[in-house]
Amino acid sequence: GAGVSQSPSNKVTEKGKDVELRCDPISGHTALYWYRQSLGQGLEFLIYFQGNSAPDKSGLPSDRFSAERTGGSVSTLTIQRTQQEDSAVYLCASRPTGGDTQYFGPGTRLTVL
Amino acid sequence: QKEVEQNSGPLSVPEGAIASLNCTYSDRGSQSFFWYRQYSGKSPELIMFIYSNGDKEDGRFTAQLNKASQYVSLLIRDSQPSDSATYLCAVGSSGGSYIPTFGRGTSLIVHP
Repeated sequence: GAGVSQSPSNKVTEKGKDVELRCDPISGHTALYWYRQSLGQGLEFLIYFQGNSAPDKSGLPSDRFSAERTGGSVSTLTIQRTQQEDSAVYLCASRPTGGDTQYFGPGTRLTVL
Repeated sequence: QKEVEQNSGPLSVPEGAIASLNCTYSDRGSQSFFWYRQYSGKSPELIMFIYSNGDKEDGRFTAQLNKASQYVSLLIRDSQPSDSATYLCAVGSSGGSYIPTFGRGTSLIVHP
């Protein structure tokens, strides 16, 4: 079956611009996560959606970061006024109800010039 | 703060040898433990998960869990060059929150 998809695969932007990253989870998966991975670093948790519950935003590094999940499916991570330190690979993962295994998408590589 | 510690490596082993990757965690109430493999430039993929103390085997991979020592390991038997990757340990948090904590990963190099 189809896995988690993310778009774009690569995004180059100028400092100060806003960017939107998209995640399409596996069909039927109610949980969705966003992570950030900088070069040579581990996974940094950003935000977690579970069904219709309020998202857990405890990992968002600043108020420039926000995320939405529409209709319990597709999610968009928005970074406003991008900074060079935002450059990283942004990974999305989904998890089925009742399970605790996450399935990762291919990631979006964001480069802020 | 929940922590998951891994030796960053690189761990270098010859082809055919056993590679042993280790992970320690701080949250004593953790219930689920995962090993992900991440090839350079790719996203993590799940290799193994384990919930109970002891060993769990899947092909060439064996996960070992010791909750008393807060220690989980991954053994790779008959290591192949294609096993060269970064291995991430993830620990599922206790208390009903489904946000796992990831270690920084151990880089494994299997040389012919």
